Formats: sequence, structure tokens, C-alpha cells
Amino acid sequence: KAGVTQTPRYLIKTRGQQVTLSCSPISGHRSVSWYQQTPGQGLQFLFEYFSETQRNKGNFPGRFSGRQFSNSRSEMNVSTLELGDSALYLCASSKDRAQETQYFGPGTRLLVL
Amino acid sequence: AQKITQTQPGMFVQEKEAVTLDCTYDTSDPSYGLFWYKQPSSGEMIFLIYQGSYDQQNATEGRYSLNFQKARKSANLVISASQLGDSAMYFCAMRANNAGNMLTFGGGTRLMVKP
Repeated sequence: KAGVTQTPRYLIKTRGQQVTLSCSPISGHRSVSWYQQTPGQGLQFLFEYFSETQRNKGNFPGRFSGRQFSNSRSEMNVSTLELGDSALYLCASSKDRAQETQYFGPGTRLLVL
Repeated sequence: AQKITQTQPGMFVQEKEAVTLDCTYDTSDPSYGLFWYKQPSSGEMIFLIYQGSYDQQNATEGRYSLNFQKARKSANLVISASQLGDSAMYFCAMRANNAGNMLTFGGGTRLMVKP
């Protein structure tokens, strides 16, 4: 069974630009969550999608948004990039919500210059 | 709100020896799950082991076991017979069962296995 895949793996952007990251969950998994990892703040929850609906959102500004498609694939978008958005963005999928283990993808490393 | 504390920023262990990575948590939710993940330098988070708050027995997965002490709110990871490939960052995480799939992570412990 293929694992969680994320594209692109690496990305370099400049301040003010926007970026879209993609996540394909494990086949049969319907929940997708996104996390941001930085050296200063550690791992922080961004949002969770299930059945194409955002179910949970972390404490991030509105520049961070996401969506989920009918095939459970998810995208997250960051508009008006700031230097502090440089991070490893991790996507995780699980079969269902609560009481299910989440499996992570390899992440997308975003560098904002 | 949940909080996870990992007090060991870095640890060394000799190859083939056992090592314990500490994790304490704080939550007011009565039902929750505790997880350990391994993150090699490549960045991917690898699931290791899970413990539910109502599980009577400590979880085990191969060389990994979770020493769950509910009254002390601790969920320490024990790795037996360390291998060079165990060198990585290790994260303890918690999910309250009424919070969907939101994981709260600790700051991590960097484990280095010496040959």
C-alpha cells in the first residue's frame, strides 16, 4: 500500500508570493491533517479535513487555508508569504477521525526568501 | 488544552543497550491517545506506538514499548537493543478524543546511538 505522498518536496518562494502544497493520503483514508514544523515553534497543527469539510483549525492566520477534494486529496495554500513561513509542512492521513493512528508524508520544505 | 513535555533535548545510548525517552502530558480530557513518532533527518514522521488512555496494558511494538503511568501522566518510550538506525528525533504526541485528529506534540528528543 502506498504511503502518504506530498508534492512538491522542496520549494523556494519570495516574500509576498503565494504557494500551494498538495497531499495525497493513503488509499482508503478520509481524514487529512496538516502540520507546520519550525525550529522555533516545533510541530504545530494547522487544520484537519474530513469528507471535504474543515473539521478543526489551529491558531494560524487566515493566510493559511486548505481544501479537500472528493478523492480525499488535500491542498493547503499560503498567501502573501512571510519569511516566518519557512518551514517543513507535513501532511498526515488516517482512516477516520479520533482513535485512529495518523500516518505522515515526507513533508514539503518551504523556504521563503 | 493539551500540553506535552519532553525534558531530554538530546541523549546518547550505546548500540545494543536499552534507552528510555521521557514524556509527560497534561490534559483535562478523560479520554485521549498518546503516540510516539520517529523523525529521521529526511523529515518524515514515522509512527512507532500508540497507547489509549483506557488501555490496561502498556503498548508494545517490536523493540518499542510504552511505559504508561496514568496517575503520573507519563508515557515514556523504551527502545530495547538500540541500533545505529535508531538515531533520530523522537516526538511524543497526544490527541484528545474530543478534538478530532488534532495532535499536540512535545519538543522532541534527539537520540544518538553510539557504535
